[in-house]
Amino acid sequence: GENVEQHPSTLSVQEGDSAVIKCTYSDSASNYFPWYKQELGKRPQLIIDIRSNVGEKKDQRIAVTLNKTAKHFSLHITETQPEDSAVYFCAASKGSNYQLIWGAGTKLIIKP
Amino acid sequence: DSGVTQTPKHLITATGQRVTLRCSPRSGDLSVYWYQQSLDQGLQFLIQYYNGEERAKGNILERFSAQQFPDLHSELNLSSLELGDSALYFCASSADQGTYEQYFGPGTRLTVT
Repeated sequence: GENVEQHPSTLSVQEGDSAVIKCTYSDSASNYFPWYKQELGKRPQLIIDIRSNVGEKKDQRIAVTLNKTAKHFSLHITETQPEDSAVYFCAASKGSNYQLIWGAGTKLIIKP
Repeated sequence: DSGVTQTPKHLITATGQRVTLRCSPRSGDLSVYWYQQSLDQGLQFLIQYYNGEERAKGNILERFSAQQFPDLHSELNLSSLELGDSALYFCASSADQGTYEQYFGPGTRLTVT
């Protein structure tokens, strides 16, 4: 079945710098890739998602890129701010009749 | 506020006991998911229901069971509790599975002593 690997498990960056989190998936039929953010003590929330018919999607300071050939997708956060500190989860799905498979999470630490 | 409610917020119980966690999905959502999150761990998918029927099972122990009722609320039953069952249990709902956004509830913090 589908497997999603997420790296790194912890990422520490200076405030104002960029952060990149990468996920790889095993099933080439996967076509939906969301990213969820979980702040300390709170619930996970969807921050951005991408479908396989596009290669990149942006929303203000966050962007997601997808490389279908290499079967990986990445979350990019620019001009990081203290409120970006959280755990980020990637996930993948083959479609509306299939489960969402989750990555293990990346703890992002923004250093002042 | 995601529109998903979970009760209770906190639960403290002893080993060997049985507890029931309750979840009400967002209005109109037919899918309910249950996740377990231990301290500093990822989201472990337990089980999913869609419109009253079990749709998918993840790493759910035999001591755990769930159901979704006709009004679409769901309950997760945990029995013969062990210390290792202490965790945050999230419920999420979505219109359907796969490509639909999952809306998470605030979670139930279970402590087994």
